[in-house]
Amino acid sequence: KQEVTQIPAALSVPEGENLVLNCSFTDSAIYNLQWFRQDPGKGLTSLLLIQSSQREQTSGRLNASLDKSSGRSTLYIAASQPGDSATYLCAASNYGGSQGNLIFGKGTKLSVKP
Amino acid sequence: DTGVSQNPRHKITKRGQNVTFRCDPISEHNRLYWYRQTLGQGPEFLTYFQNEAQLEKSRLLSDRFSAERPKGSFSTLEIQRTEQGDSAMYLCASSLPTAIRDEQYFGPGTRLTVT
Repeated sequence: KQEVTQIPAALSVPEGENLVLNCSFTDSAIYNLQWFRQDPGKGLTSLLLIQSSQREQTSGRLNASLDKSSGRSTLYIAASQPGDSATYLCAASNYGGSQGNLIFGKGTKLSVKP
Repeated sequence: DTGVSQNPRHKITKRGQNVTFRCDPISEHNRLYWYRQTLGQGPEFLTYFQNEAQLEKSRLLSDRFSAERPKGSFSTLEIQRTEQGDSAMYLCASSLPTAIRDEQYFGPGTRLTVT
């Protein structure tokens, strides 16, 4: 059974700093790994999706990596801004059965101070 | 607006009442998912549809919960005899999967409070 863990639970950084959010998973038979952003009381916004055959994906200041052998994914945010403050969720889906069923971590709450 | 929409956004109900939520997916998406999220937790999978067929249900989906997608477009999630433990954010997502990719797009959620 897939389990997803995100560390740290909360992170506070000054504006302009580069930062890394960590995600680990127990089952390496990953189909997709998806990173989301969630603002308080809101739904989820998809940031990046990494397919099983890929090692990383980039979008603007965001870069997500996937290492299936070690069971880890990271989300790198460059030159952080106060508007990046939100909870970041990592979610994995696996081959077999319902491949789209996303298993989520509890998230990392990011605060970027001006 | 071509994103996923959910109604209502907020629902307050008394314990024992029935509630129904609606989700309208992105129009060309054939998959529709329901998740539940409680405070401080990540979303948890409840059920999903491929077109109008309900293909999987989580054990979290007790017999008080029922979901439908009658014409393969919008979906409804009904909770009968609500309990205080049902208080949560109910999230809907849709996708158009391929063999190697299933990117899910989420709606704004329906926040349910059971008093």
